[in-house]
Parts: sequence; C-alpha cells; structure tokens
Amino acid sequence: NAGVTQTPKFRVLKTGQSMTLLCAQDMNHEYMYWYRQDPGMGLRLIHYSVGEGTTAKGEVPDGYNVSRLKKQNFLLGLESAAPSQTSVYFCASSYGRQGLGNQRMDEQFFGPGTRLTVL
Amino acid sequence: GESVGLHLPTLSVQEGDNSIINCAYSNSASDYFIWYKQESGKGPQFIIDIRSNMDKRQGQRVTVLLNKTVKHLSLQIAATQPGDSAVYFCAEKENYGQNFVFGPGTRLSVLP
Repeated sequence: NAGVTQTPKFRVLKTGQSMTLLCAQDMNHEYMYWYRQDPGMGLRLIHYSVGEGTTAKGEVPDGYNVSRLKKQNFLLGLESAAPSQTSVYFCASSYGRQGLGNQRMDEQFFGPGTRLTVL
Repeated sequence: GESVGLHLPTLSVQEGDNSIINCAYSNSASDYFIWYKQESGKGPQFIIDIRSNMDKRQGQRVTVLLNKTVKHLSLQIAATQPGDSAVYFCAEKENYGQNFVFGPGTRLSVLP
C-alpha cells in the first residue's frame, strides 16, 4: 500500500495564479483532511471531509476550496494564490467512525507534504 | 504572535538519556490525545495515543502521561537515540469532534 500520497511535491506560483493539490489514499479511509504548516508552528486545519461528496471548513478555510468526488481522493484548490498562502501543505486520512475492531479510528495518516511558494 | 511561533522550543539531550517533552492543552472537553513525530521534510507520524479515561500508556520506549487536572500531557522517550531527533507535536480532540488541534511542537535534538 502506498498510504497517503500528494502531488505535486513542490510548486512555485505567481500571485493570482490558481492550482490544485491532489491527495490520494489507498486505505479505504472515510475521513480526509488538508492542513497547512508554517515555520515553527503546528498544523492548522484548512478543510476536511467525513465521506465521499462531503466537505467542511476547518480553522483557516479562506482562500481555499476542496472537493471529494471519490472516496480515495481529496483535492485542495487555490483560486487566486496570495503570498500568505506560501506554506507546506499536508493531507491526512483516517478511518473515522467506520473504524473496525482494534484499529485506532482517529489516528490520522499523513502524506509527505507539498511545499508551495507564492511570489 | 507570529514571531513567537517561528522559534520552536528545543530540548537537547545526550544519547542514551531519557527525554521528556511536555504539552499543555486548553480544552477541558478534549478526551483523546496523540503524540506525533515529524522528521525534517516528512509528514507527521503517529507515536502513541491516550484517552482521557487513562493517565498513563506505554509503548515501545515511549510513555505518555496525562494529567487532566492541570490539562497537561507529556511524552517520555527512554534511552534517546539519534533517530529520535525530530519535532514532536501533541494533538487533542473532543470525543465526538472530528478535528484535532495541534500544539506548536517541540524540537528534540539528540547529542552524540
């Protein structure tokens, strides 16, 4: 299993450009999350999804949109990039309420991150 | 503020010593906690978790202690090794909440 993968790994954008970050997981997880991590800070939740076709806002949703058309994919979009969106973006997934047996339902599995720079 | 967040607390320990990393949480309704390890250039990785009905849980070389009275969580690493050098985050969640709140992290530096 590949776990959680993210594409691209690196990207440089100019202010005003748009882009989409792709997250994919092959663990059949229900829940998926997008975080941003800024230097010396913890992870801040942007948006999350508790199932295919559902999305919800997190702590810092402004300037981002998301979609979960397929259970295994969670897309993060920046419609008009701003320098304040320069960050490292992490995707995560978890079993959520559908965890079975002794699985840690709430444990989040993280991808390797996408480093985004907006000039 | 932003300038404070740029400078992670750092713990330096000698190889072979025990490490204790602390975390204060603010939400008294939080009842599930996880410690994550993040190595440079990688995503966070699960280390150990604990629910609020426990005050101690042990794993391989790691122990998590929970003090609900003072809302404090600690991670103890026994016989610290160079591979333990990383940033460690605590994360908290309410029982029926869907989202974790992450602490700012502590950088552990293992000295030879």
